[in-house]
Amino acid sequence: EPEVTQTPSHQVTQMGQEVILRCVPISNHLYFYWYRQILGQKVEFLVSFYNNEISEKSEIFDDQFSVERPDGSNFTLKIRSTKLEDSAMYFCASSEKGWYSNQPQHFGDGTRLSIL
Amino acid sequence: RKEVEQDPGPFNVPEGATVAFNCTYSNSASQSFFWYRQDCRKEPKLLMSVYSSGNEDGRFTAQLNRASQYISLLIRDSKLSDSATYLCVVMDSSYKLIFGSGTRLLVRP
Repeated sequence: EPEVTQTPSHQVTQMGQEVILRCVPISNHLYFYWYRQILGQKVEFLVSFYNNEISEKSEIFDDQFSVERPDGSNFTLKIRSTKLEDSAMYFCASSEKGWYSNQPQHFGDGTRLSIL
Repeated sequence: RKEVEQDPGPFNVPEGATVAFNCTYSNSASQSFFWYRQDCRKEPKLLMSVYSSGNEDGRFTAQLNRASQYISLLIRDSKLSDSATYLCVVMDSSYKLIFGSGTRLLVRP
């Protein structure tokens, strides 16, 4: 079964450094998402992306965050200057169609980001 | 009021038991509904979509009551492998997924 893959599985970074989290969505999917889950808390939406632009973003997704689809397969989340509170599990997800189709989103196994 | 509210549990049941989880959501304009399961420190995995007519997948049955803004999940004949956190998920009017905090299920031998 095709799956969403994320790298690295664990990233340890000094506060203030830039970090890039990478995702390869399922190949025929067109809608891409990033979520995060702080330890012990619920999964929170960050951003959705379609047709090479952001469709929707949450309050969490401030100017320090950006997303990019640099080629036909990768989807990246960049945090420019990391803060301690950015420590969380970051999940990438993708779906074949958008909201109108009732299509669920399929999640990668996540990148654990630890900010020191 | 929380956007998606669930009883955190844990529900501690013996193998073979039937267990039901409930969930309420606040946005009446929500369009799509799902149950995901999440094992400890793993990604959410889709369990099933929830339709207005109710739907069943093996031992799992999901129901949606739009008037009451209420979603349920019934698990029959619980297995040890069903132990996980069950996430009620709603696609809101802005088309993003809103997650509940999850209900933890422990199935004991």
